[in-house]
Amino acid sequence: AQRVTQPEKLLSVFKGAPVELKCNYSYSGSPELFWYVQYSRQRLQLLLRHISRESIKGFTADLNKGETSFHLKKPFAQEEDSAMYYCALSAMDSSYKLIFGSGTRLLVRP
Amino acid sequence: DVKVTQSSRYLVKRTGEKVFLECVQDMDHENMFWYRQDPGLGLRLIYFSYDVKMKEKGDIPEGYSVSREKKERFSLILESASTNQTSMYLCASKVPGTGVVNEQFFGPGTRLTVL
Repeated sequence: AQRVTQPEKLLSVFKGAPVELKCNYSYSGSPELFWYVQYSRQRLQLLLRHISRESIKGFTADLNKGETSFHLKKPFAQEEDSAMYYCALSAMDSSYKLIFGSGTRLLVRP
Repeated sequence: DVKVTQSSRYLVKRTGEKVFLECVQDMDHENMFWYRQDPGLGLRLIYFSYDVKMKEKGDIPEGYSVSREKKERFSLILESASTNQTSMYLCASKVPGTGVVNEQFFGPGTRLTVL
């Protein structure tokens, strides 16, 4: 079964602390993995994707096929990082539909 | 800059009413999607469309139908609204393909309340 699991509903950290949002997936084959973010009163938008192997707003995520994980990390959290984060997996058939995790709300306190 | 718009930001309807949610995208995308977003459940796919007049059921299609008569417009229809359809509805679009083009662009959402 195709599934994305985000075990934490809420992650609260202080400004400047490291952040790791966990994501595990279940998929037969080689998926494409994404992190989407939704800031308060804004639309859902792509943060980063595993194939790009880039850092966006200081966030990185490495695909670990052995552990079927795609955790999102940032060494020093900022207050503006407070948002809802969704890990998603793209079906590699012609639908390209996204399978989302349940989301983790990140709260960065001053 | 891709723009996906949804006809209403907030909508209040009564049980049993027929409800139309409209989504329009201006980037000539073939693929369009309707999700509902609920706390603790994330986003769940209701229906998607490969192209004009083509549609496929997603994971939770019961109680919903869709229409795609024009490429830019994808409508979600609640034939007889029920209280358990109270939710945030998100529309998205993308071009077909994987890799760097595999990004869905989302609308601002419609918060539907069914009384």
